[in-house]
Amino acid sequence: SQKIEQNSEALNIQEGKTATLTCNYTNYSPAYLQWYRQDPGRGPVFLLLIRENEKEKRKERLKVTFDTTLKQSLFHITASQPADSATYLCALSTNTGNQFYFGTGTSLTVIP
Amino acid sequence: EAEVAQSPRYKITEKSQAVAFWCDPISGHATLYWYRQILGQGPELLVQFQDESVVDDSQLPKDRFSAERLKGVDSTLKIQPAELGDSAMYLCASSARTSGEQYFGPGTRLTVT
Repeated sequence: SQKIEQNSEALNIQEGKTATLTCNYTNYSPAYLQWYRQDPGRGPVFLLLIRENEKEKRKERLKVTFDTTLKQSLFHITASQPADSATYLCALSTNTGNQFYFGTGTSLTVIP
Repeated sequence: EAEVAQSPRYKITEKSQAVAFWCDPISGHATLYWYRQILGQGPELLVQFQDESVVDDSQLPKDRFSAERLKGVDSTLKIQPAELGDSAMYLCASSARTSGEQYFGPGTRLTVT
């Protein structure tokens, strides 16, 4: 069956360190992988999109990698800040865009 | 900055009643999505529209849920009759193109008693 797995346990890190979140998938052939941030009681906010033919994407303190052989994406936040505390969701979509699937999310807490 | 609008923000209803949610996407966005999110889980796609046409409703419980986007702009999601298990956050999102980044509204928190 198709499955998208993210770090099942909450991640706690010290301010200033790099947070690394994992998204693993099985039985998908995604053309795009996206990362979103979600704060409690609010809708997700788009962060980054990476295509299947791209290995890495960066935006300010954020970096995403996409390994279609390992079927895995890693999401990094460098120089983390308490304001980065939130739930982070990965999402896959196919070439047609007609199928869109979210993972369960990873809760990140950055400790001052 | 343009935003996706949803209403109501909160809804409490008794089981077996009908409930409806409304979404107004960002102007010019052809693709509109409805998701259901249970606490602690990721959003689950219920239905996707391209303009006024449904392109994916495979996860929509069609015996009780219906969705429409008559003029290809705003959209309504209806549940009739509501069941206790329908309690969740209902999110609407829009994007300028399929597979592109999605912009989410604030959601409607539904509680069925």
